[in-house]
Amino acid sequence: QITLKESGPTLVRPTQTLTLTCTLSGFSLSNTGVGVGWIRQPPGKALEWLALIYWDDDKRYSPSLNSRLTVAKDTSKNQVVLIMTDMDPVDTATYYCAHRMAGTFTFDYWGQGSLVTVSS
Amino acid sequence: SHELTQPPSVSVSPGQTASITCSGDRLRDRYISWYQQKAGQSPALVIYQDSKRPSGIPERFSGSNSGNTATLTISGTQAMDEADYYCQAWDSTTVFGGGTKLTVL
Repeated sequence: QITLKESGPTLVRPTQTLTLTCTLSGFSLSNTGVGVGWIRQPPGKALEWLALIYWDDDKRYSPSLNSRLTVAKDTSKNQVVLIMTDMDPVDTATYYCAHRMAGTFTFDYWGQGSLVTVSS
Repeated sequence: SHELTQPPSVSVSPGQTASITCSGDRLRDRYISWYQQKAGQSPALVIYQDSKRPSGIPERFSGSNSGNTATLTISGTQAMDEADYYCQAWDSTTVFGGGTKLTVL
C-alpha cells in the first residue's frame, strides 16, 4: 500500500533554509510515470502547490516560489527532498508530500504533513 | 490570491444536496480534482478528471466541469461529509482553490 511520510525541522529561523524529506513506501520513484508533489497549508488557510518531481527527474515549480525552491530525489533511499531558501514567518505551514496519479497532476495519496514554524 | 474561486462556506441539511463551485479562466480546458479535508487530517481525493471517483469514495460524490465553472455535488449529504473542500485545476501546472467549508446543519 502506498504511504508517504514527511520529516524535518519543526522550527526554522527567518532567512534560514528549510530541508524537508519525504520517505516513500509502496511505490518507487524509479518506476516510469511516478511523480511526487509538495503542497503546503498555512494554519487555517488554503492549500498551495509548491513543486513536483517525476521519475525521469523532470521538475515543476510554483511560478511564485520558483526562485526559492529545489526538489530532488534519492532513488536508492526512495526519498524526495524539498529545499526552500530564505524562510520567512509567512512560510509557516504544514508541508505535505503526495503521490501523483500517473499521467495527471492529481494527488491520490498524501502524507500526514509536517508543521514548520518560522520564528526567531 | 487564488486563480480558482470557491465560496468560503456552504451549508446543507442532512439528506439534502450540497453543491460547491469552483470558478476560473479556461476551466473547461483543464482537468479538475476535488479534495476533502476533515479537521486535523490530510486532504483526501474525492473526484479527479472532472467527474471520476477514486475507489472507496461513495457514489453520492459527483463532479462536473463546464465553461468556467466546475461543481462538486454531494447528494444525500451526511454529517460525516462536513469538511473543507478544495478544487484543483491542472494542465501543464496546477493551482488550488481557496477552499469551501461545508457545514451539515
